[in-house]
Amino acid sequence: SQQGEEDPQALSIQEGENATMNCSYKTSINNLQWYRQNSGRGLVHLILIRSNEREKHSGRLRVTLDTSKKSSSLLITASRAADTASYFCASDSGGYQKVTFGIGTKLQVIP
Amino acid sequence: DVKVTQSSRYLVKRTGEKVFLECVQDMDHENMFWYRQDPGLGLRLIYFSYDVKMKEKGDIPEGYSVSREKKERFSLILESASTNQTSMYLCASSPAGTGTYGYTFGSGTRLTVV
Repeated sequence: SQQGEEDPQALSIQEGENATMNCSYKTSINNLQWYRQNSGRGLVHLILIRSNEREKHSGRLRVTLDTSKKSSSLLITASRAADTASYFCASDSGGYQKVTFGIGTKLQVIP
Repeated sequence: DVKVTQSSRYLVKRTGEKVFLECVQDMDHENMFWYRQDPGLGLRLIYFSYDVKMKEKGDIPEGYSVSREKKERFSLILESASTNQTSMYLCASSPAGTGTYGYTFGSGTRLTVV
């Protein structure tokens, strides 16, 4: 399977609920990044967590990193319809060619 | 405030045509990248550049070339377009070094080769 693999691949929730997306990777990393992509648009960088960090917050976003399990999770609290998008993790194993993007989680927030 | 600009949102070209995709960034970033995005495959790196006139192959460079004559501009060239190059193309940039910053992406160019 692919480095930087997100789970689930699709998620549908009601507005106001929390959304959790997971990402697994295979090799050791320098950092892990999360991006959002609205339909047909480019990716927007949300948050970067370094390998020596366990948790990071940014507004309604909370990212955790477990290097022993080679996994990360992105939590969006109190979701809004505007959060509807695809979310990608990108694992950075060092070097320009070592940033590997997953295939994404498609999140739908129903108003 | 658009920071990475891709010249076209949608492009339709014929098989065998030479295609130029342009990308300009206004953040004085050293690194620039071209990815293609296909359903079920995620983003795949085509080429990247960490300095003017420097270029390095990514994971899928076949059928593509690039040019970086100025720091702010990174062009992707399809020498002879083929239908299997129909895809979403994404340009990105980042400051020098790796492992510290995320990437800033353009809005993408959806290329259809007929």
